[in-house]
Amino acid sequence: EVQLVESGGGLVQPGGSLRLSCAVSGFTFSTYWMCWVRQAPGKGLEWVASIKQDGSEKYYEDFVEGRFTISRDNAENSLYLQMNSLRAEDTAVYYCTTSKSNALHNWGQGTLVTVSS
Amino acid sequence: VLTQSPGTLSLSPGERATLSCRAGQSVSSSYIAWYQQTPGQTPRLLIYGASNRATGIPDRFSGSGSGTDFTLTISRLEPEDFAVYYCQHRGGSFGGGTKVEIK
Repeated sequence: EVQLVESGGGLVQPGGSLRLSCAVSGFTFSTYWMCWVRQAPGKGLEWVASIKQDGSEKYYEDFVEGRFTISRDNAENSLYLQMNSLRAEDTAVYYCTTSKSNALHNWGQGTLVTVSS
Repeated sequence: VLTQSPGTLSLSPGERATLSCRAGQSVSSSYIAWYQQTPGQTPRLLIYGASNRATGIPDRFSGSGSGTDFTLTISRLEPEDFAVYYCQHRGGSFGGGTKVEIK
């Protein structure tokens, strides 16, 4: 069974940092592109970042503006999102997803990030 | 940019739902996916490559389209189909969503 389990969310002050993790199982992690998608409270889905199987290519949505870094550890079957200089508008549930054939096939349950003083 | 319409669709169970997703410029149909999100739940992939149903998706869901105009059709609405639906381009940007609500 495919499983993606996010962790690392929580309450952080504006300007602060968080590192999200996603532990995966049930599939060959190293053969999949992976993505982070977020959803602000009561809002729609928003793609954040994607990373190639070997980590050699990374793509970010414009709003990231150099503040976030996506990475992966294929030996540990884990995906990460380092988030710096956090803003109130970054408050959202962050989902870890697999990406194949230009679609996001499997999703984790999400981890809530709240940026507030 | 993907524009979804209508914003809200009010229908009764058993009716047909037709949801639209329009791209700002012509895109390959292989790049269009559709997702369903019910309240409090994680999004679920329905359609990829504009017309391919994902694993376990009932055949009342179908996707079509090309160029700039794409459509998700639910042939007969079941109670569990009342949800928000999103289209997506190339595993990246999403449309704003269409809410299908009970009339």
